[in-house]
Amino acid sequence: DTEVTQTPKHLVMGMTNKKSLKCEQHMGHRAMYWYKQKAKKPPELMFVYSYEKLSINESVPSRFSPECPNSSLLNLHLHALQPEDSALYLCASSLVFADIQYFGAGTRLSVL
Amino acid sequence: AQSVTQPDIHITVSEGASLELRCNYSYGATPYLFWYVQSPGQGLQLLLKYFSGDTLVQGIKGFEAEFKRSQSSFNLRKPSVHWSDAAEYFCAAEATGFQKLVFGTGTRLLVSP
Repeated sequence: DTEVTQTPKHLVMGMTNKKSLKCEQHMGHRAMYWYKQKAKKPPELMFVYSYEKLSINESVPSRFSPECPNSSLLNLHLHALQPEDSALYLCASSLVFADIQYFGAGTRLSVL
Repeated sequence: AQSVTQPDIHITVSEGASLELRCNYSYGATPYLFWYVQSPGQGLQLLLKYFSGDTLVQGIKGFEAEFKRSQSSFNLRKPSVHWSDAAEYFCAAEATGFQKLVFGTGTRLLVSP
């Protein structure tokens, strides 16, 4: 089983809202990733957690706040987003850092 | 700089015809290489990977890819395309020690009846 589950599938939020995206895997993977994907573009790496510690932050604005409460769960907290943040947000996991990544189906985010 | 290039933005293939999607990489040493497929509004599914060894790699859904060091290429092939193969295909590379997956810009595959 190589399943990465993301919730919600769709999210609409205003610029003053606070919301969270959730990602879960039960494959025993110890690395988890957040990507942002705009239409007709490849995914762009945002954050990487390895053994529940933030390893990479690709200079993402502070209105995006990641959290890894345990080895199976990854959250992305959203606050005061801009319309240009509307995108597909993908979560991925791998057994360890720099191994094959398995992706979830994504959360389609619209910021009004 | 490390990069992955997919020269074809979109390709149209007749159902039942063969397919080849091109991918070139620019790295100091041979990276790990991957092909992912993405259906509209969906996540990425891994088709196949190359780490080392046999240069012809078999993947899921009848896809294969050939690694050619001399050409810095990792082209994806399928002998007979099905309508369900219509999707976006991404080639990606990861250099050991850099720990970051670098994607190409993608190739959109359209399948005509």
